[in-house]
Amino acid sequence: GAVVSQHPSWVICKSGTSVKIECRSLDFQATTMFWYRQFPKQSLMLMATSNEGSKATYEQGVEKDKFLINHASLTLSTLTVTSAHPEDSSFYICSASTWGPGQGNYGYTFGSGTRLTVV
Amino acid sequence: EDQVTQSPEALRLQEGESSSLNCSYTVSGLRGLFWYRQDPGKGPEFLFTLYSAGEEKEKERLKATLTKKESFLHITAPKPEDSATYLCAVGMEYGNKLVFGAGTILRVKS
Repeated sequence: GAVVSQHPSWVICKSGTSVKIECRSLDFQATTMFWYRQFPKQSLMLMATSNEGSKATYEQGVEKDKFLINHASLTLSTLTVTSAHPEDSSFYICSASTWGPGQGNYGYTFGSGTRLTVV
Repeated sequence: EDQVTQSPEALRLQEGESSSLNCSYTVSGLRGLFWYRQDPGKGPEFLFTLYSAGEEKEKERLKATLTKKESFLHITAPKPEDSATYLCAVGMEYGNKLVFGAGTILRVKS
C-alpha cells in the first residue's frame, strides 16, 4: 500500500531558529500533499494544501511566511517553520492523496508525524 | 458549513464489551467517509473508506457502516490493543480536502 515517510519524528530547536520537516511518498507519486497541526487531545487542523510545482494554499489564519511549504517534486513536500517560537511547539503531520488519473483508489495516507518542541 | 461531529468524546470499555462510535456529518456533497485509528504520538492509520449509504466494511473486530447522515464504527469484543483515538473524516465531492471530526478516545481495560 501507499506509504508516506515523515522526518524527523521529533525535533527540539531554540527559539528564533528555523526547522524543516520532510514528507516523502515512497511508492507512489503524490500530486497533492497536506500539512496538519495537532494540539494535545485535539483533532487534526489543516494548515495548507500543496500541489507539486505550484504555491501552497494556506488555510485561514495560518501565516504563510512562518510556515513555508515547498512541493518541488511528486514525491517530496517540505514544511519549514521559520523563526520558531514556543507557541509553534506542536505535532505536525503530513498527508498525501493517493488518487488521481492513473493512480490508485480515492484515499489519503498520513505520515507518522513530527513532534516539534521550541525552547 | 461542512461539519463532522463524533460521539462520544471518550469511551471506556471492559475487554469483550462491544460498543459503537458515531460520526455524523453535514456536507454539501460526500465523496467518501474515512475512519482512521491514531495511537499517541503517531500519524493516523487508515481503517476504512465508505462511499455510499448502505455500505458496510469489516476488518477483524471492527465494522463500519454508512447512512446518508452518519457513520458508525462497531467494535465487537474489543481487546486492550484496540485502545486508541478513532478519527472520522469526510472527503467532499468538490475539492480534495478532508474535514475531520474531533475523534473518540477509546480505552479498553482487561
